[in-house]
Amino acid sequence: AQTVTQSQPEMSVQEAETVTLSCTYDTSESDYYLFWYKQPPSRQMILVIRQEAYKQQNATENRFSVNFQKAAKSFSLKISDSQLGDAAMYFCAYNLMNRDDKIIFGKGTRLHILP
Amino acid sequence: EPEVTQTPSHQVTQMGQEVILRCVPISNHLYFYWYRQILGQKVEFLVSFYNNEISEKSEIFDDQFSVERPDGSNFTLKIRSTKLEDSAMYFCASSESQGAQPQHFGDGTRLSIL
Repeated sequence: AQTVTQSQPEMSVQEAETVTLSCTYDTSESDYYLFWYKQPPSRQMILVIRQEAYKQQNATENRFSVNFQKAAKSFSLKISDSQLGDAAMYFCAYNLMNRDDKIIFGKGTRLHILP
Repeated sequence: EPEVTQTPSHQVTQMGQEVILRCVPISNHLYFYWYRQILGQKVEFLVSFYNNEISEKSEIFDDQFSVERPDGSNFTLKIRSTKLEDSAMYFCASSESQGAQPQHFGDGTRLSIL
């Protein structure tokens, strides 16, 4: 079964500090994409970062970076220098490369930023 | 930056009634999707649409659901006879191509069935 597990329903971090959101997934495929989506209170789902499974180098986007461990099927998101605008629900997700249309989502982690 | 837009933002409907949720995908995108998120649960795939036909659907997408691209810009999800358990947030998404390009999501429509 294809699943995505986010074991932290909620997390809090002090402004300017670093936080890591964890994610594990289960698939028998070898070629896929992994994503972190952000859903702020305004509701729109925003793509934060994407990782191709065939790339060993971890993706980074400004203050956002991932730790991709393919053998362990782990894909954590690190947010550095946390800002108030980072407060949101974060979803880990994946889809199969050039095959399935659907994105498989985790249940999400609600991140609170403490001023 | 171009966006996926969804209307209405909130729809309240009596059980048994038909409802149509509307989406305007990004103009040069060719693949369209509907997802739903029941309160407190994960976002779930419903259906994907390409070249004027359904390319994949989940087991949630039963005969009560249908999708249509009635013109060059809109992409609609119809629920024929709504049930209480259809209450959820419904997200539309679009992408330029399958898999390689990310899916861009709209703000969602909150559907409340009374």
